[in-house]
Amino acid sequence: GAVVSQHPSRVICKSGTSVKIECRSLDFQATTMFWYRQFPKQSLMLMATSNEGSKATYEQGVEKDKFLINHASLTLSTLTVTSAHPEDSSFYICSARDVDLVRYEQYFGPGTRLTVT
Amino acid sequence: AQSVSQHNHHVILSEAASLELGCNYSYGGTVNLFWYVQYPGQHLQLLLKYFSGDPLVKGIKGFEAEFIKSKFSFNLRKPSVQWSDTAEYFCAVNAYSGGYQKVTFGIGTKLQVIP
Repeated sequence: GAVVSQHPSRVICKSGTSVKIECRSLDFQATTMFWYRQFPKQSLMLMATSNEGSKATYEQGVEKDKFLINHASLTLSTLTVTSAHPEDSSFYICSARDVDLVRYEQYFGPGTRLTVT
Repeated sequence: AQSVSQHNHHVILSEAASLELGCNYSYGGTVNLFWYVQYPGQHLQLLLKYFSGDPLVKGIKGFEAEFIKSKFSFNLRKPSVQWSDTAEYFCAVNAYSGGYQKVTFGIGTKLQVIP
């Protein structure tokens, strides 16, 4: 159980276009989903916390107008990178937290490799 | 702000050697502690976690970790590593900050086990 999927796994887009990444909890409900960005040889950097039915909470330094997050249901959150630039190329990982708040566990998706040319 | 330090960035061990990966965090409040593992080509998986109670927690695949509150540490150990333990290991801390919870990850430690 506790599987999180991401789609697509890899995407290449041209500079100036927008890209949408989906994160789904497949066998559990997630009131909270997290979006991370991972740079080479660095740790996961939390970008935003997304709660179902409300606006996402962005970390300091993350542009909310550039990285649009929508958490429309208990099993789906999307991250849209708008007007992508080469510096947005990175590995984006989502995670989901089970509705059982006592557990505080996060289950991670496999990540999406974004390359902006 | 909370932070997590993993002191060993790259560790190389022979099979059957003992492993200890250091993790220290800075946060004065209540924390939940985790170790995640990422095998080559796979996504992050939970190895073990600490919420409360016995500070020595046991996880999957023979791993354990000890929470030492006075040292703000949560070191990961395994008495005898195997080649299949080759992976990247991340320590993470969940803390309450500014009214909401936030998980902070360490930079990760790459473990290479030589047969």
